[in-house]
Formats: sequence, structure tokens, C-alpha cells
Amino acid sequence: EVQLLESGGGLVQPGGSLRLSCAVSGFTFSTYAMSWVRQAPGKGLEWVSGISGSTTYYADSVKGRFTISRDNSMNTLYLQMNSLRAEDTAVYYCARDRVFDSWGQGTLVSVSS
Amino acid sequence: QPVLTQSSSASASLGSSVKLTCTLSSGHNNYIIAWHQQLSGKAPRFLMKVEGSGRYNKGSGVPDRFSGSSFGVDRYLIISNLQSEDEADYYCETWDSNSWVFGGGTRLTVL
Repeated sequence: EVQLLESGGGLVQPGGSLRLSCAVSGFTFSTYAMSWVRQAPGKGLEWVSGISGSTTYYADSVKGRFTISRDNSMNTLYLQMNSLRAEDTAVYYCARDRVFDSWGQGTLVSVSS
Repeated sequence: QPVLTQSSSASASLGSSVKLTCTLSSGHNNYIIAWHQQLSGKAPRFLMKVEGSGRYNKGSGVPDRFSGSSFGVDRYLIISNLQSEDEADYYCETWDSNSWVFGGGTRLTVL
């Protein structure tokens, strides 16, 4: 069974940093592109960042502040978030493959003073 | 980069059928899209991918009542024999060489 489990969310002050993790199981992690998708309170889904092999991709809204990475030996996807802003407040999901055919349950990031 | 357009809301009666539309921006009529369902307070769930040919592939466990089709730049999600548990937000999604994009989502109400 494919499983994705996010962790690392929490409350952080504006300008602060946070690292999210997504631990996966049930499939060969290294062969899949992976993404982070977020959803601000009451809003729609927004793609944040993706990684395919070693190539990384970012939405303009997070470029230069967020870094996506993966550890294939640990079957884990990461999102390092720096210089956080209030508008980064959202539930962050990890999702598998280009069609997002599996999703995690999400982790909440709140940016507030 | 493609843009996806969805109606903000739709409604249909219990037991009836509904067709949700996701429209690709001009020039992107060959793009594959995916449909995702999000129940209130839950994580999204992959339903299916739909190709420009109209071929679709559903995710594991997606009921037979759900199907997909395509015409030009439009991609459709058809739900037959609507059930109360189908009341949810439905998002379409696609990608190109270096980014992914979602439509704004359609909130489906089952009357």
C-alpha cells in the first residue's frame, strides 16, 4: 500500500524557517517525481515545488526561499522553507508523480507573530 | 504555461448525473489533466487522468460511477448516480516542462 506521511509543520514567526518531511512507503521512491502542494485556509490547491530525479522546480511565489530535496535511501522528501511570510500559512501536502496519484494527509504551517 | 479554468460551483440531485468541466488555455489541447476530489476537511484524492483523446485511467478504488472524457481543450469528469458522499471540491491539474498548475476547483453540491 502506497503511503505518504508529512511532518514538521507548526507555528513560526515571520522571517523564520521550517523543514517539512514526507516519509513514503509502498513504492520505489527513487523512480517517481514528487511535489509539494499547499492549501491556504479556505482556498484552493497551489503547487509549490517539484523534484524529478535531481531536477528541482519551484512556483514563483516561493522561488529563492524554499528548497526541495529528497533522500532516496531514507525514502523521504523534504521542503526547507526560509524567510517565511504570513501568506505561506497553509496545509502542505506531498504528492506522488506528475498526476499526483497519491497524497499525504498534510501538515499545517502557520506563520504569525 | 497552461491555465486551467473551472466553474466555481455545480449542483445536481441525488441519483442524477453531473459533468464537471476543466478548460485548458488555448494551444494546450493535447495536455493530459488529472482530476482530484477533496472532501471537506480531508486531503485530496486522485480520481483519474484524462488524455486529449478522451482516454482516461482511474485511481485505485475509484467507483465505476466516475468517468472522464475530452473534447478539444475541455476535459470532463462525469459522475453518474450521484451519492451524498460525492459532495466535495473537485480540482483539475496539469503540468508542463517545469511547473504544475491547478484549476480553481468546483464545489459540487448534491441536492
